[in-house]
Amino acid sequence: AQSVTQLGSHVSVSEGALVLLRCNYSSSVPPYLFWYVQYPNQGLQLLLKYTSAATLVKGINGFEAEFKKSETSFHLTKPSAHMSDAAEYLCAVMGDYKLSFGAGTTVTVRA
Amino acid sequence: DADVTQTPRNRITKTGKRIMLECSQTKGHDRMYWYRQDPGLGLRLIYYSFDVKDINKGEISDGYSVSRQAQAKFSLSLESAIPNQTALYFCATSTGSTDTQYFGPGTRLTVL
Repeated sequence: AQSVTQLGSHVSVSEGALVLLRCNYSSSVPPYLFWYVQYPNQGLQLLLKYTSAATLVKGINGFEAEFKKSETSFHLTKPSAHMSDAAEYLCAVMGDYKLSFGAGTTVTVRA
Repeated sequence: DADVTQTPRNRITKTGKRIMLECSQTKGHDRMYWYRQDPGLGLRLIYYSFDVKDINKGEISDGYSVSRQAQAKFSLSLESAIPNQTALYFCATSTGSTDTQYFGPGTRLTVL
C-alpha cells in the first residue's frame, strides 16, 4: 500500500526565508504525488502534482517540488516566504484509486 | 459559485443523534469521496464512490454510512453520533483514478 510521511509537524520561518517542507513516500508502483495547502477555515487547494513527467514540478504561489526516486522524496520548497504562506501543507500519494495523506505540516511565518 | 459545496458548514450535536452531511458538485465528476481530518492525523478516507451504483468503504468506515443520490450528490450519515466522531469532514471529487481531487470547504462537526 502507498503511504507518505511528512517530517516535522510545525515549521516556523522568517518572512523572506526559504520554506522547505519534507515528504517521503512509500509506493510499490511509480507514484502520483500531490501537495495541497489548507488555509484556516477553508478546504484543500492543490499546490502541485507529480505525474511521472518532469521531476521538478512548479506549482502555484511560487512553490515547487522535486521528485527524487533514489530518496523516495517529494519535498516542497519556496525561495522566499510571505506572510500569506502561513497555512497547513499536506503531502499525498495516489494508490488503489485513493489518496493517502501525510499528517500535515503547519507553517508559521514570522515578520 | 463553488464547484464543491458542503452543508452544513458547522454542526454541534449530542451523542446518539443521527446526523447527515451533504455534498454537491457542479464539476461533472463521476468520483466522490468523504474524508475526515483530525489534528496530527491528516485526512483519512471514510467512503468513496466511482459512480451512482458503486460505493466502497475506506479505511475508517465504521459508524458511518453514505448515499449517492445522483452523480452530483453524495451524503454521509452518522447513524448514532459519538464524541470521537468530532472532526472536520471533507468531500472531494475527481474524474479518474490518478486525477486531481477537488475538495469542498469542509464541515466542522462537534459531538457532545
